[in-house]
Amino acid sequence: GDSVTQMEGPVTLSEEAFLTINCTYTATGYPSLFWYVQYPGEGLQLLLKATKADDKGSNKGFEATYRKETTSFHLEKGSVQVSDSAVYFCALKRSQGAQKLVFGQGTRLTINP
Amino acid sequence: GAGVSQSPSNKVTEKGKDVELRCDPISGHTALYWYRQRLGQGLEFLIYFQGNSAPDKSGLPSDRFSAERTGESVSTLTIQRTQQEDSAVYLCASSLEASGANVLTFGAGSRLTVL
Repeated sequence: GDSVTQMEGPVTLSEEAFLTINCTYTATGYPSLFWYVQYPGEGLQLLLKATKADDKGSNKGFEATYRKETTSFHLEKGSVQVSDSAVYFCALKRSQGAQKLVFGQGTRLTINP
Repeated sequence: GAGVSQSPSNKVTEKGKDVELRCDPISGHTALYWYRQRLGQGLEFLIYFQGNSAPDKSGLPSDRFSAERTGESVSTLTIQRTQQEDSAVYLCASSLEASGANVLTFGAGSRLTVL
C-alpha cells in the first residue's frame, strides 16, 4: 500500500542553520505530495505542496521538489529561525482511487537561539 | 464557518464508556476526514466521506469505531466501550473535494483520555 517515510527525529539545530528533512514515498501512480506543519499548541496546517514531477513547492522560506526518479520530497530551508520549531509531516495523496492523505510519522524540529 | 470546528476539545472518560466526538467542517467542503494521532506518533487515517458516496472506512481499527455524516454537514465519530489504547487526539479535516490535490484543512482536534 501507499506509504511515506520521514527521517527520524528529533532534529535540533541552531538558528540560521541549513535544514533538510528527508521524505520518501511509495505509491501507485503519480500522487500529490505535501508538507504539513504542527506548531506547538496549534492545529496541523499546510506548509507547501507539489502535484507533479519536478514541481517545487515553497512557502515561508521552505522548499521541496517532487523527485519522481528517487520518489522523494525532501524539505529544505536555508536559514532556520526559532519560530520554525514544530513537528513536520510529509504526506501523499493519490490522484485516483483511495483519496485519503497518507502521512509520515512526523519529524520534531527544535531550533535553539 | 471560517475553519473546521471540533468538540469537545478535551474528553476524559472511564474505560468501557462510549464517547462521541463532533466535527463541523468548512461550509461548502464536500469531503470530510477523521484521523487519530497517538502521543508522539504520526497521523493514522480512520475514515473519509465524500458527498453522498459510500464512506471509505478502511482505517477504522475495530468495530467499536463508527462515524456518521449527514449530507455535507456535521460528522460524529463514536467509540464504543472505550479502551485505554483509544487515548489519542482525534483530528477532523475537510476539503472542497476528496479528489486531486485539494488541500485538507484540519481542526484543532479532540483529545481523548481513557482512564
